[in-house]
Amino acid sequence: QVQLVQSGAEVKKPGASVKVSCKASGYTFTTYNMHWVRQAPGQGLEWMGIINPNGGDTSYAQKFRGRVSMTRDTSTSTVYMELSRLTSEDTAVYYCASEKGATYYFEYWGQGTLVTVSS
Amino acid sequence: QTVVTQEPSFSVSPGGTVTLTCGLSSGSVSTTYYPSWYQQTPGQAPRTLIYNTNTRSSGVPDRFSGSILGNKAALTITGAQADDESDYYCVMYMGSGIYMFGGGTKLTVL
Repeated sequence: QVQLVQSGAEVKKPGASVKVSCKASGYTFTTYNMHWVRQAPGQGLEWMGIINPNGGDTSYAQKFRGRVSMTRDTSTSTVYMELSRLTSEDTAVYYCASEKGATYYFEYWGQGTLVTVSS
Repeated sequence: QTVVTQEPSFSVSPGGTVTLTCGLSSGSVSTTYYPSWYQQTPGQAPRTLIYNTNTRSSGVPDRFSGSILGNKAALTITGAQADDESDYYCVMYMGSGIYMFGGGTKLTVL
């Protein structure tokens, strides 16, 4: 079965960077796009961007451009999301979610990774 | 910039029918936005309900249905149950590789 397993919780200081991983299994890694979605405490879901593991093309929400980078390692079927220049407003649960080809929806979800930014 | 809009909250009686909507601050929703719907309970990852306007995801009961109503996407729950009490989010594909969530609707079943 399809599984997306994310890395563990992180605590970072303001100004630092965080890198969250999402390891996929149960399907051919390069046939599913991977999205990153975040949710601040008590807030709604927010789309951050997408990476196509077959080639590494990315597209980011305007809000995060210049501060986010999504990469992949096809040898380990893992996608990474790195967010830099963290502030307290980046405290959130970060989810990866996969999309099969160009189907325009999030079919499978990771379990989420809590990133806490605090001095 | 266009914003995806949802009712902040809604309530439905057990066994009743409720329709949640998802619109755009500018323009009308059509199938070319590939609207999808997700259910989320506190502390859990979202669950995919509907994609491509009206296709139910695997395992989703048929009391959940999606459609276009007027100029909005809609999620209808028929025969609401207590465990339908959740937050519901819609997502629109805005083109050029960009997706956008609505603000979410908190559904109360009482």
